[in-house]
Amino acid sequence: SQTIHQWPATLVQPVGSPLSLECTVEGTSNPNLYWYRQAAGRGLQLLFYSVGIGQISSEVPQNLSASRPQDRQFILSSKKLLLSDSGFYLCAGQNSGANVLTFGAGSRLTVL
Amino acid sequence: AQSVTQPDIHITVSEGASLELRCNYSYGATPYLFWYVQSPGQGLQLLLKYFSGDTLVQGIKGFEAEFKRSQSSFNLRKPSVHWSDAAEYFCAFRHASGGSYIPTFGRGTSLIVHP
Repeated sequence: SQTIHQWPATLVQPVGSPLSLECTVEGTSNPNLYWYRQAAGRGLQLLFYSVGIGQISSEVPQNLSASRPQDRQFILSSKKLLLSDSGFYLCAGQNSGANVLTFGAGSRLTVL
Repeated sequence: AQSVTQPDIHITVSEGASLELRCNYSYGATPYLFWYVQSPGQGLQLLLKYFSGDTLVQGIKGFEAEFKRSQSSFNLRKPSVHWSDAAEYFCAFRHASGGSYIPTFGRGTSLIVHP
C-alpha cells in the first residue's frame, strides 16, 4: 500500500523568507500527487497536482510553486513567504487507476 | 460548476446518539464520492467510498453512507457515536478536468461529542 511522508511537520518562518516543503511517496510508482492547503474552517484547497515527473498543474494563482523532480517526490516552494501563506499543508497521492487518495500527516506553516 | 457542499460547519451530539452528516454535490454525471475523517493536526483517512452499484456503502469505524441521485446527496451516518469519533469530516468527489481526475473536497464538518 501507499505511504506519504511529509516534512517538516512544523515550520515557523519570517515574512519574505523562502519555503520548501517536501513530500515523498513509498509503496507505489507513477502516482498522481497533490498539494492541498487547509485553512481553519475553509476545508481543503487544491494548490497543485502532478501526473508525472516535471508535470505540474496549478489550480489557483498564488505565491507558491511546486516541482516534481522524481517520480516519488513532490516539493512545494516559495521564494518569499507572505503572512497569508500560513496554514496546514497536506500532500496526497493516488495510484494510477485507483480512485482513493492517501494523505501525509501534514506540515503546519506559520509565517510571522 | 462542479462542487461539493457540506452545509453544517459544526455538529454536536451526545455519546451513544445517532449521527448524520450532510453532503450534497453538483456534477453533470454520477461522481465518485468519498468521506474522509481528520483527527486534529493529522492527515485525512478514508472512511468509505461510492463508485457504483449498491447505493448504501459501509465503511470503517461503523460508518455508512447512502448515495441518493435524486437528491444529489451522499450523507454519512453512524447509529451510535463514540467519543473517539470527534474529528473533522470531509465529503469529497472526483471529477474530470483537462484529462485528469481532480479530487474536490467540501469545507468539512466538525463533530463534537458530549459525554
